[in-house]
Amino acid sequence: QQQVKQSPQSLIVQKGGISIINCAYENTAFDYFPWYQQFPGKGPALLIAIRPDVSEKKEGRFTISFNKSAKQFSLHIMDSQPGDSATYFCAASSAGSGNTGKLIFGQGTTLQVKP
Amino acid sequence: DSGVTQTPKHLITATGQRVTLRCSPRSGDLSVYWYQQSLDQGLQFLIQYYNGEERAKGNILERFSAQQFPDLHSELNLSSLELGDSALYFCASSVGTVGEQYFGPGTRLTVT
Repeated sequence: QQQVKQSPQSLIVQKGGISIINCAYENTAFDYFPWYQQFPGKGPALLIAIRPDVSEKKEGRFTISFNKSAKQFSLHIMDSQPGDSATYFCAASSAGSGNTGKLIFGQGTTLQVKP
Repeated sequence: DSGVTQTPKHLITATGQRVTLRCSPRSGDLSVYWYQQSLDQGLQFLIQYYNGEERAKGNILERFSAQQFPDLHSELNLSSLELGDSALYFCASSVGTVGEQYFGPGTRLTVT
């Protein structure tokens, strides 16, 4: 019940296209859903995050769509650029469980944007 | 640059040895988290400290321990190392007990 399932495992997109990564969860107590971007040899960097009280959040070219009833959320990268080539992780946490921010991560998606 | 610092960047040691990984959180952050990243297990939460006290524990082995000091830096101690402990170890910090976490650059541990 603590798992977060992420798909696809890898994704190839042409420059200018839309990259879509999906995540699904089981634990309805999760109340915070961030996305992280990780380049080789670097730590994960917080990209964008959403809470269940909204269905969509947009920051620049990055959008999170959240479907509470389906227990799914997704990251959309508009106008994908070669510089977006990285591994993306979704995550979830439940503040109510002992008031901790511990993150449960998805398995990651390796995105390659072709020029 | 997230503002979270970790040392050392790389660590190579032998099986059975003990190592200490160090983390300094962002200025003003009271929570420190430790995560392990390996190819087969992905990113796994190990432990969280908040203002010096243990807040939450995840899949942390008994051979591993951590603490957070009064100046808020944290150390992760790994003992009786095994080949399977080879991984990237990340520290993250946040202002409170929950909310946005910012990750450090990590320590790559290689056990030979």
